Amino acid sequence: GENVEQHPSTLSVQEGDSAVIKCTYSDSASNYFPWYKQELGKGPQLIIDIRSNVGEKKDQRIAVTLNKTAKHFSLHITETQPEDSAVYFCAAYSGGYQKVTFGTGTKLQVIP
Amino acid sequence: EAEVAQSPRYKITEKSQAVAFWCDPISGHATLYWYRQILGQGPELLVQFQDESVVDDSQLPKDRFSAERLKGVDSTLKIQPAELGDSAMYLCASSLAARGHIKETQYFGPGTRLLVL
Repeated sequence: GENVEQHPSTLSVQEGDSAVIKCTYSDSASNYFPWYKQELGKGPQLIIDIRSNVGEKKDQRIAVTLNKTAKHFSLHITETQPEDSAVYFCAAYSGGYQKVTFGTGTKLQVIP
Repeated sequence: EAEVAQSPRYKITEKSQAVAFWCDPISGHATLYWYRQILGQGPELLVQFQDESVVDDSQLPKDRFSAERLKGVDSTLKIQPAELGDSAMYLCASSLAARGHIKETQYFGPGTRLLVL
């Protein structure tokens, strides 16, 4: 089955700096890669996603890049703000019924 | 904006008791998922429904867990008997994805936090 590894597990940045979170996946058939933000006590919320036929996608301060050959994808947050502090999860979808596998999460702390 | 509803939000029970969680997906969403999230880890898929049918329950501990979505709308996840190791957040999610179509985004509910004493 699919295996998704996520790094780093924790990340502290100064407000205004950029943050990068990386994920690798094992199943070359995976074709959809969302990123979720989870705040304490809440369910994960989709923040950006990318499909396998696209190499990069951007939405304001958030961008995701995908390298299908290397089987890795990354989340980039620019001009970080304290409200960006949360746990971020990557995920990969594969298989006929699109089984999803989540990464282990990255706790991002933005220091004011 | 439509949301996935879950209840209860919190549940404390003693081991060997039965517990049940309820999920109401976003209207029109064909696919419904139940996840278990242990503190500090990513969500782990327990069961996936396509309408009223189970399409993946490979990670569901079937000796104690059961799930149903009788009318293809809301769903119930049950644990009987509960064990100490079942303490976790139970998340429900739904998506538009219909059979044979490209996967659509999953929308998560707020979760039910279970504590087994």
